[in-house]
Amino acid sequence: DVKVTQSSRYLVKRTGEKVFLECVQDMDHENMFWYRQDPGLGLRLIYFSYDVKMKEKGDIPEGYSVSREKKERFSLILESASTNQTSMYLCASSPGGQGEKLFFGSGTQLSVL
Amino acid sequence: GDSVTQMEGPVTLSEEAFLTINCTYTATGYPSLFWYVQYPGEGLQLLLKATKADDKGSNKGFEATYRKETTSFHLEKGSVQVSDSAVYFCALSERGYNKLIFGAGTRLAVHP
Repeated sequence: DVKVTQSSRYLVKRTGEKVFLECVQDMDHENMFWYRQDPGLGLRLIYFSYDVKMKEKGDIPEGYSVSREKKERFSLILESASTNQTSMYLCASSPGGQGEKLFFGSGTQLSVL
Repeated sequence: GDSVTQMEGPVTLSEEAFLTINCTYTATGYPSLFWYVQYPGEGLQLLLKATKADDKGSNKGFEATYRKETTSFHLEKGSVQVSDSAVYFCALSERGYNKLIFGAGTRLAVHP
């Protein structure tokens, strides 16, 4: 079974801190994604990557950056955390090609105080 | 841009009732369509999908048909169980990198 592992289940940070969210997949997938999930808004795409060192902005990239130095690992970085970034963050991976399903991690609930 | 609209929840049903969750989409071209389910405390997992018009996706008693003429992909199940209680997300896949656009999600609560 494909496994997508997110490093933390719950995280509490202070405003202005630099925050790293880590995601690792074990199936050699080309594509990796970071979404945030908020009640009533569903999932919104922050960034995605289709290859090592490649990244594309999603619908809400402001305040975030990403890093993909190895194929299996995709990191989301909050350069200076703010309270409006309190959310559930979901990482996903998939093989290349349209129509392929995404495999999701269990999520990281981030609270910024 | 492309978008997905699904019915607001929560939907509350008794066990063995019939379920419909409506989903409509706006897209240029011919997207693939998906239903994902999120059980409490877990990430999302694929429930079913359809990749072209008139395709029917099915899994675990759930079904959805890709209707191009009405741009819809409604989720149905003939007899729900308490274990079906979860949040259901409709999504479409844009061409290219398999990026998914999700609806807002519909929470389903099934009571014995």
